[in-house]
Amino acid sequence: AQKITQTQPGMFVQEKEAVTLDCTYDTSDPSYGLFWYKQPSSGEMIFLIYQGSYDQQNATEGRYSLNFQKARKSANLVISASQLGDSAMYFCAMRENTGNQFYFGTGTSLTVIP
Amino acid sequence: NAGVTQTPKFRILKIGQSMTLQCTQDMNHNYMYWYRQDPGMGLKLIYYSVGAGITDKGEVPNGYNVSRSTTEDFPLRLELAAPSQTSVYFCASSYGTGAIEQYFGPGTRLTVT
Repeated sequence: AQKITQTQPGMFVQEKEAVTLDCTYDTSDPSYGLFWYKQPSSGEMIFLIYQGSYDQQNATEGRYSLNFQKARKSANLVISASQLGDSAMYFCAMRENTGNQFYFGTGTSLTVIP
Repeated sequence: NAGVTQTPKFRILKIGQSMTLQCTQDMNHNYMYWYRQDPGMGLKLIYYSVGAGITDKGEVPNGYNVSRSTTEDFPLRLELAAPSQTSVYFCASSYGTGAIEQYFGPGTRLTVT
């Protein structure tokens, strides 16, 4: 089974609107971390936000927030007030605390329309 | 503070050739990782290391070897290159386990023809 599933290959959003990128995960480890990374066309991987499995509140970092629904095993990324510079690939990743590996999803390509 | 550096940036190999992808970090991180990213796909872990002298296999280790003789360096060796190894290779490092992000290098684009 896939550890991380991102079901939206591509998304479009109007500039200044909010957008939600979906991520579901699969783990039996009670302790894990969830990450979102941005990969612009230049290719580098940029860390955006982190959510721990025991965190009571949803993580926020500026315009990024993580909608964490533990029972549903989902960790959706919400980008508010989209900007043209947000156009990029977005990857959800998980790290189980019993191991040292990170697992990445296949990514969602976000295009912000002026 | 350069972070994670990778060399070369681009490389074309012929089938059967060998090469080493270099990765160095100057953040004194214990954990280092090698990933490959195939076109339109996410990252898959090749090998990782939790400290000098310790390495372990990830999801896709076949055709690769690593060593970790120092904290700073984590080279990835390709023996007998095959077209299936055409990919972008990322090195990453992190300070420890748990709520710790990974810092990525800029990547090496490798083509095997």
